[in-house]
Amino acid sequence: DAGVIQSPRHEVTEMGQEVTLRCKPISGHNSLFWYRQTMMRGLELLIYFNNNVPIDDSGMPEDRFSAKMPNASFSTLKIQPSEPRDSAVYFCASTKREGFGEQFFGPGTRLTVL
Amino acid sequence: TQLLEQSPQFLSIQEGENLTVYCNSSSVFSSLQWYRQEPGEGPVLLVTVVTGGEVKKLKRLTFQFGDARKDSSLHITAAQPGDTGLYLCAGLANAGGTSYGKLTFGQGTILTVHP
Repeated sequence: DAGVIQSPRHEVTEMGQEVTLRCKPISGHNSLFWYRQTMMRGLELLIYFNNNVPIDDSGMPEDRFSAKMPNASFSTLKIQPSEPRDSAVYFCASTKREGFGEQFFGPGTRLTVL
Repeated sequence: TQLLEQSPQFLSIQEGENLTVYCNSSSVFSSLQWYRQEPGEGPVLLVTVVTGGEVKKLKRLTFQFGDARKDSSLHITAAQPGDTGLYLCAGLANAGGTSYGKLTFGQGTILTVHP
């Protein structure tokens, strides 16, 4: 079975540009999470969805960040405009609603904003 | 806000040595998970502990959940170079009667095992 799929794996962009990160969760998983990982701050939860509905977006840094989940098999995280401090690895994870919340992570997108 | 403090942040040891990583919080979690992350990949779940005082073993790895479900430890016996990686603890707290599975992660421990 395919795991969580993220694209692109690497993104290099210039400050001020729009960046869109994509995620395909594992089929049958009802919850989807977006994380950001940096050396300074570790792994931070940005937003999570349950049944395609945003449940908690308190981790989204500011209005420049937005996330959507138009259907059960696709989600996007958009940064507009991007800034150098947004440089990080962004992970998407999914889980079944039931159980103990084991999360399956994608390989991540390494974002560099110049 | 629930916080998890993980220690040590860095650990560099020789093959064959034993080590312990600690994860502490002032909050109670319904369960606690340990993940391992290798460079260029996402974290992968190692184990989930649910009951206070629970001990789980995974080959040379021993995981313990504190009696009050506020802390946990990971002990590795006779570490091997293949154990090298980032180890993350994560606490799961139910949101009221729901079980959305929101995890709070510790900062992580970077373990390097030298041959």
